[in-house]
Amino acid sequence: SQQGEEDPQALSIQEGENATMNCSYKTSINNLQWYRQNSGRGLVHLILIRSNEREKHSGRLRVTLDTSKKSSSLLITASRAADTASYFCATESGSYQLTFGKGTKLSVIP
Amino acid sequence: EAGVAQSPRYKIIEKRQSVAFWCNPISGHATLYWYQQILGQGPKLLIQFQNNGVVDDSQLPKDRFSAERLKGVDSTLKIQPAKLEDSAVYLCASSSSFSGGVTDTQYFGPGTRLTVL
Repeated sequence: SQQGEEDPQALSIQEGENATMNCSYKTSINNLQWYRQNSGRGLVHLILIRSNEREKHSGRLRVTLDTSKKSSSLLITASRAADTASYFCATESGSYQLTFGKGTKLSVIP
Repeated sequence: EAGVAQSPRYKIIEKRQSVAFWCNPISGHATLYWYQQILGQGPKLLIQFQNNGVVDDSQLPKDRFSAERLKGVDSTLKIQPAKLEDSAVYLCASSSSFSGGVTDTQYFGPGTRLTVL
């Protein structure tokens, strides 16, 4: 079953704009991770935020986590055409197993 | 460092046929996962290995799917017989440890796209 639900399902923006994707989940977690999947390729790990953290940065990525609302957001600043991909949140609740959402499909128009 | 290798990349079979996928994890990674990703959805865990032992196969349809990890390195996932609904991308991932208190990143292979006609 899907734990996380990303919102929106699809997002189209111009190059240089910021992109924000949200993820909601249902049960308590140890950590939440964001992955990127380019068309026809495997998943690439972007960032991990632990349940006791509220915000984390990595390059142009900013992730927030609100455990009281069971939600997370991923912000990509100054987007580039190469950021075009599907983005998935994945929750880890034990045994190092990940439960993925359905993803947000991001299109960055040059 | 070489990534997770999978083969074949694409496979087309007819329903009721059998198929096998192969995965070679990153060297030294003790934990190996197989996921099924149906078009438009996120990956779903099928089975998790720690070395050559099964940690969790609760979501593996055992009437038709089987998996093994001999010698704690390479792994194969088999479907026999295949159904139309098995059409999906099968992803293999590995991570480096399974010790308490540490969560390791999972590294994914490129996947095998299976089409069942």
